[in-house]
This record gives sequence, structure tokens and C-alpha cells, in this order.
Amino acid sequence: DQQVKQNSPSLSVQEGRISILNCDYTNSMFDYFLWYKKYPAEGPTFLISISSIKDKNEDGRFTVFLNKSAKHLSLHIVPSQPGDSAVYFCAGLFAYSGGGADGLTFGKGTHLIIQP
Amino acid sequence: KAGVTQTPRYLIKTRGQQVTLSCSPISGHRSVSWYQQTPGQGLQFLFEYFSETQRNKGNFPGRFSGRQFSNSRSEMNVSTLELGDSALYLCASKTTVANTEAFFGQGTRLTVV
Repeated sequence: DQQVKQNSPSLSVQEGRISILNCDYTNSMFDYFLWYKKYPAEGPTFLISISSIKDKNEDGRFTVFLNKSAKHLSLHIVPSQPGDSAVYFCAGLFAYSGGGADGLTFGKGTHLIIQP
Repeated sequence: KAGVTQTPRYLIKTRGQQVTLSCSPISGHRSVSWYQQTPGQGLQFLFEYFSETQRNKGNFPGRFSGRQFSNSRSEMNVSTLELGDSALYLCASKTTVANTEAFFGQGTRLTVV
């Protein structure tokens, strides 16, 4: 059972426009949601996170929105730049369960392609 | 500040063999987690260590094991390798277990032939 789902394997956006990456989850017990960016041959790089008690978090060009009733979150990148081309992973985290975290539960990723 | 270091970067092993992968976390980080990335399953959590103790374990068979040393360095071992174990193995370190931000290494690409 996949607890975190990214239903779009790829997304193509023109440079300068907004990129919107979507993620759905089934487990309401996640304490945090995180977005990671991954280039080929490199490990994932942390981008931005949001607590499950918030509905929005912004950091520069990156904004994450959380809709708990829909169990949906999205990452907005504005404006999109060529260096944003990468695979983006959404992840859920249990931070407080049993005194420890159960690791990050990742979606399968969305390949974002920024076209010039 | 040095990042998370994983060795080796690439490894080729034969079915039935065993393999040990190494991870050195960022200085001061005491939590080390291991993940397996495959095209079909994506990134999956293997286990997490903190203060030399396994804190959590993902849904993997007992052939996958790990340990953490007093200097927080961690090793992951896979015994009786199967073709399906071919994957990118990623290590991530955090300051504590409850911290949200994990820093990943570049991974070890294991190919089982």
C-alpha cells in the first residue's frame, strides 16, 4: 500500500512559468511532509517541509501547500528556472510516533523538465 | 562542513555473495538512515540508527542488516544477494531522530549479476 503517491511521472514547464508538483497521501498520521530534489547520480537534496498543522510554507521561489481534508499537498516553484530540472520527491515523516521516526516515506517522484 | 559520505560509489557482486556498504554522516549528526532506490519501487526506507541502536526498520527481509558505531558511522550489510537487490542505496543523516531535515549522500550503486 503506497502511502505517498505522486501520480505524474513527468511534468514539462516553460522557463519563467509556475511549476506545480502534486502529491497525495493516505496516512493522516504523518507529522511532516517534505520535498526533495534529485539530480542524476546524486542523493536527494532537501528543499522545503511543512508541518501537518500548517497549510502553507514558503521559502524563496518554493511554496508548499497542504490540504489536509483532501490529503493532498503541492509544491509551487515560481518562476521556474532551467536548474530546477530534476526529479522531485514528496515524502511523509512520522516525527513523534513511539519516540522515534519511522523514516521518510517517499512517493515515486515526478521528473520536472524546464523548457527554455 | 563535509557532507554525507558513502563508500564505495559503485559495486558489482554475484548472486549469493554478501556486501557491506559504508556511510559517514555529517559531523555532529547522530541519526543515520538507509534507503533503497529502484526504478519500480522508488525510494524505500530500510532502517534508522541512532546512538548505535536501530530505532526503526522498514519492510525488508532479514538479509538486510545494519549497525552504527560510536562515531555515528554506519554500515549496511546484505547477505545472500539476489538479482533484485540491484539498486541505489542511499544513506541520510540527521542531528536527531525527530529532526525533519535529512541530508543524503550520493549513494552506492549495487549491481548483482
